[in-house]
Amino acid sequence: KAGVTQTPRYLIKTRGQQVTLSCSPISGHRSVSWYQQTPGQGLQFLFEYFSETQRNKGNFPGRFSGRQFSNSRSEMNVSTLELGDSALYLCASSLGGGTPYTGELFFGEGSRLTVL
Amino acid sequence: AQKITQTQPGMFVQEKEAVTLDCTYDTSDPSYGLFWYKQPSSGEMIFLIYQGSYDQQNATEGRYSLNFQKARKSANLVISASQLGDSAMYFCAMRGGSGGSNYKLTFGKGTLLTVNP
Repeated sequence: KAGVTQTPRYLIKTRGQQVTLSCSPISGHRSVSWYQQTPGQGLQFLFEYFSETQRNKGNFPGRFSGRQFSNSRSEMNVSTLELGDSALYLCASSLGGGTPYTGELFFGEGSRLTVL
Repeated sequence: AQKITQTQPGMFVQEKEAVTLDCTYDTSDPSYGLFWYKQPSSGEMIFLIYQGSYDQQNATEGRYSLNFQKARKSANLVISASQLGDSAMYFCAMRGGSGGSNYKLTFGKGTLLTVNP
């Protein structure tokens, strides 16, 4: 059974550009969530989607957006990149049904973004 | 608001010995899930173990066990028979709480475990 797949694994952008990251969840999982990891702020929640609907959103500016497709694959987009957006972006998938405190979440290997 | 506290920035353990990584959490909601993840230097976040707040027994997964003390709001990870490959950052996390409508994982700052040969 394939795990969570994130693409691209590494990318370098310059300030002002935009970037799109992709996440394919484990087969059968309908929930996808995104996290940003930086040395200074640690792991921070960006947003969570279930059946194409955003259920939760973290405290990030509007430059950060996401969506989920009918096949549960998800993308996140960051527009007008800033140096501080350099981070490891992690995607997690879970079955998603029922209550939020039940069930396991599995992460992908992450997309490491460097903004120059 | 939910909060996870990991008080040990770094821990050292001898190979083949057991080690306990501490985690305390704060929530006023009775319904929540607790997680432990391992993050090697490669960056991937590896799921280790999960404990639901209503689970009666402590969770175990191979060499990993979660010492869940609900009244103390404690969810310590115990790794038995440490191996060199266990050297990594370990994160405690919580989901749920806040009235049961919160789907985000709240993470602690992590504990860097080093296993010495």
